[in-house]
Amino acid sequence: SQELEQSPQSLIVQEGKNLTINCTSSKTLYGLYWYKQKYGEGLIFLMMLQKGGEEKSHEKITAKLDEKKQQSSLHITASQPSHAGIYLCGAAGTYKYIFGTGTRLKVLA
Amino acid sequence: DTEVTQTPKHLVMGMTNKKSLKCEQHMGHRAMYWYKQKAKKPPELMFVYSYEKLSINESVPSRFSPECPNSSLLNLHLHALQPEDSALYLCASSQAAPGQGTYEQYFGPGTRLTVT
Repeated sequence: SQELEQSPQSLIVQEGKNLTINCTSSKTLYGLYWYKQKYGEGLIFLMMLQKGGEEKSHEKITAKLDEKKQQSSLHITASQPSHAGIYLCGAAGTYKYIFGTGTRLKVLA
Repeated sequence: DTEVTQTPKHLVMGMTNKKSLKCEQHMGHRAMYWYKQKAKKPPELMFVYSYEKLSINESVPSRFSPECPNSSLLNLHLHALQPEDSALYLCASSQAAPGQGTYEQYFGPGTRLTVT
């Protein structure tokens, strides 16, 4: 079965710093999703990537899918306290969606 | 509008109670999901409804009973729960289920359930 591994598990950065979160799949990805979750709340859809080499941006967040479609990265530029939360990557499996292990981000003001 | 609503936001119930969680979406999505999420863990799939029919039950105990009255509504009926069932219950929807295309899921805010 397909598995998604995220790194790092947790991250503490100073406000204004850049950061990168990685998501590695055990199988080829046919749709990679990034979500953000605040503690105790639902997941907020950020971006979906489908094609090898694809890159998408939303405000200060950029996500990329590598050419082999087995790894994705999420990059935040000039982090702000509002970026704090849990970032989850997800993929559509054969019959269900699967999620990565999550990365907890804390941004110090 | 990409909103999925869930009620109630919080629920405390005893082990002999019967309660229901409700979920609603008006995006015309034909797939709806129930997930259970424990602290510091990713969401864990419970049920998938596709075109109002139950398509996946991830071996969930019978004390959880899903229902899809129409294409916009999804309920989760709870009966005789155990304390270990305490968790955040998330509802989600997508245009179609995996295997029918590549679509993103939209999640509701969740119901925080505590079983005493």
